[in-house]
Amino acid sequence: DIQMTQSPSSLTASVGDRVTVTCRASQDIGSWLAWYQQMPDRPPKLLIYGAFTLQSGVPSRFTGSGSGRDFTLTITSLQPEDFATYYCQHADSFPITFGHGTRVELK
Amino acid sequence: QVLLVQSGAEVMKPGSSVKVSCRVSGGNFDSYGFTWVRQAPGQGLEWLGRITPTLGTTKISQKVQGRITISADEFRNEVNMELRSLESDDTAVYFCARGRENWVDAFEIWGQGTTVTVSP
Repeated sequence: DIQMTQSPSSLTASVGDRVTVTCRASQDIGSWLAWYQQMPDRPPKLLIYGAFTLQSGVPSRFTGSGSGRDFTLTITSLQPEDFATYYCQHADSFPITFGHGTRVELK
Repeated sequence: QVLLVQSGAEVMKPGSSVKVSCRVSGGNFDSYGFTWVRQAPGQGLEWLGRITPTLGTTKISQKVQGRITISADEFRNEVNMELRSLESDDTAVYFCARGRENWVDAFEIWGQGTTVTVSP
């Protein structure tokens, strides 16, 4: 199984900050990577797929980059509604696996 | 607007089986894949399996292989997940999700989640 390692596991930030979350796959997954945002007691929300393609309706302050094993999710100017947990997920092969999540909290 | 509407919360005994349904409202199966993901309390996301109803194909996680059945009912426009021989570790919120048309394993529409509690 492909292991997805996210870092950090949590971070604190302020509104307006630039935030970066990284995700490393245990093997090359090309661009078969998606990012999700999850609020408490809510289902995840797809933000980015194909490593960098923004899902329809997602604000442009969210950007994805990377390929191969190393990927990054960047929030260019953190907004109050962005405080949540973020997960990466590969879709290279079965089984699909997720990272353990990065919790973004208010400083 | 397509919604996925899941069945209600369940409390089950160890060793029993649970069936969770996911009705596609405002749309049809078309050629989409439908995936089941679960989330144990305070934990991350775990992929369980996927069905593509129009192709009749399924992919299942080896972790639950042999205990899970994922099926589709075209008449009722719903996909179902049955998990057998329940253990306390199966306590989780179970989500169904629909993949994108051009990226079947990017999950763009999610059900509201169904809490399954396994308790003696």
